Amino acid sequence: AQSVAQPEDQVNVAEGNPLTVKCTYSVSGNPYLFWYVQYPNRGLQFLLKYITGDNLVKGSYGFEAEFNKSQTSFHLKKPSALVSDSALYFCASSTGGGNKLTFGTGTQLKVEL
Amino acid sequence: EAGVTQFPSHSVIEKGQTVTLRCDPISGHDNLYWYRRVMGKEIKFLLHFVKESKQDESGMPNNRFLAERTGGTYSTLKVQPAELEDSGVYFCASSRGQFYHEQYFGPGTRLTVT
Repeated sequence: AQSVAQPEDQVNVAEGNPLTVKCTYSVSGNPYLFWYVQYPNRGLQFLLKYITGDNLVKGSYGFEAEFNKSQTSFHLKKPSALVSDSALYFCASSTGGGNKLTFGTGTQLKVEL
Repeated sequence: EAGVTQFPSHSVIEKGQTVTLRCDPISGHDNLYWYRRVMGKEIKFLLHFVKESKQDESGMPNNRFLAERTGGTYSTLKVQPAELEDSGVYFCASSRGQFYHEQYFGPGTRLTVT
């Protein structure tokens, strides 16, 4: 069975500092990994995905994520956080090429001035 | 292009009543998914349509939930009769293809059963 863990319920970062939102996964077979962001009263928005290839994946709004097979991690990163990045972030996995997604519990990111 | 839309945005019903949620996917997207998030926990998969056919309904919690997608366009999710534990946010998503394609989510329907 697949599972995704987001160990931090909340991450606080000062604007301009780098941010990391952690995600670890447990899947059988090749993992397909996704990051989504949810702003208040909005649906989940796709940020980026890892399917195969380069372990560093670049996505929307300056975000990137690094796939680490040995540590079974897929942490989301951004070099310089903005207040507007404050939102709820979800990591998700799937097998079989991207059908049903298995989500983590979400991490609330708060970027402060 | 218009995004995934869901109706209503919020529904409050009493235990034992019936509620029907609607999802309109992005035009041209054959794949439609339903998920729900209960009590701030993880978002859980309910089912997956390919056009009008149910591809995977392994996440449907019980037979009080009925999903349809007549004609392969919009989908409905009916809960009958509703129970307190059905409260949560129900998300719909659609994608152009199944494999490696990201899913586009609607804003969700917040269901409160009292």
